[in-house]
Amino acid sequence: AQSVTQLGSHVSVSEGALVLLRCNYSSSVPPYLFWYVQYPNQGLQLLLKYTTGATLVKGINGFEAEFKKSETSFHLTKPSAHMSDAAEYFCAVSRYTGTASKLTFGTGTRLQVTL
Amino acid sequence: DGGITQSPKYLFRKEGQNVTLSCEQNLNHDAMYWYRQDPGQGLRLIYYSQIVNDFQKGDIAEGYSVSREKKESFPLTVTSAQKNPTAFYLCASSTQGQGGYNEQFFGPGTRLTVL
Repeated sequence: AQSVTQLGSHVSVSEGALVLLRCNYSSSVPPYLFWYVQYPNQGLQLLLKYTTGATLVKGINGFEAEFKKSETSFHLTKPSAHMSDAAEYFCAVSRYTGTASKLTFGTGTRLQVTL
Repeated sequence: DGGITQSPKYLFRKEGQNVTLSCEQNLNHDAMYWYRQDPGQGLRLIYYSQIVNDFQKGDIAEGYSVSREKKESFPLTVTSAQKNPTAFYLCASSTQGQGGYNEQFFGPGTRLTVL
């Protein structure tokens, strides 16, 4: 079975500071990994995804994530936080069952950005 | 513009009533999904469908039903058998492909409150 653990349900950073949101996964097969962002009372928007190839993945809004197989991690980073980054972030791992692709989500990390 | 629409945005239900949440997509995606979101629990899969007239139970299907009569539409019915239906419901869709790397696109969600 696959699972995702997001360390820290709430993270607070100052505007301009580094953003680091942690995600560890468990998977018996090579994983496909995703980061989504959710603004209040809205749906989820894809930030970035790792499938195969380059382990450093760049996404939208200046975010990037690095797939580290040895650490089973896929942490999300952004060099300089902006007020507009305040949202909830979800890490997810995908599994193909033979008939369908299924996503398993972490419990989310709420990012607060302060002045 | 292609996308996913969900209606209504807010829905109130009395105990013992069935309600149906609408999900429509014009992305020409084969696969569609319903998730339930509760605070601190991330997203949990209710039902998914890979093709018209076929659907499978997800992790928390009890008390819910779906239909997939058209490729564009995947309505979810919350029945009176669902013991705790108050939640935020998200619909998603994706292309269908082997491997599990397909991005899921999300609608804006429906917030259901049981009075």
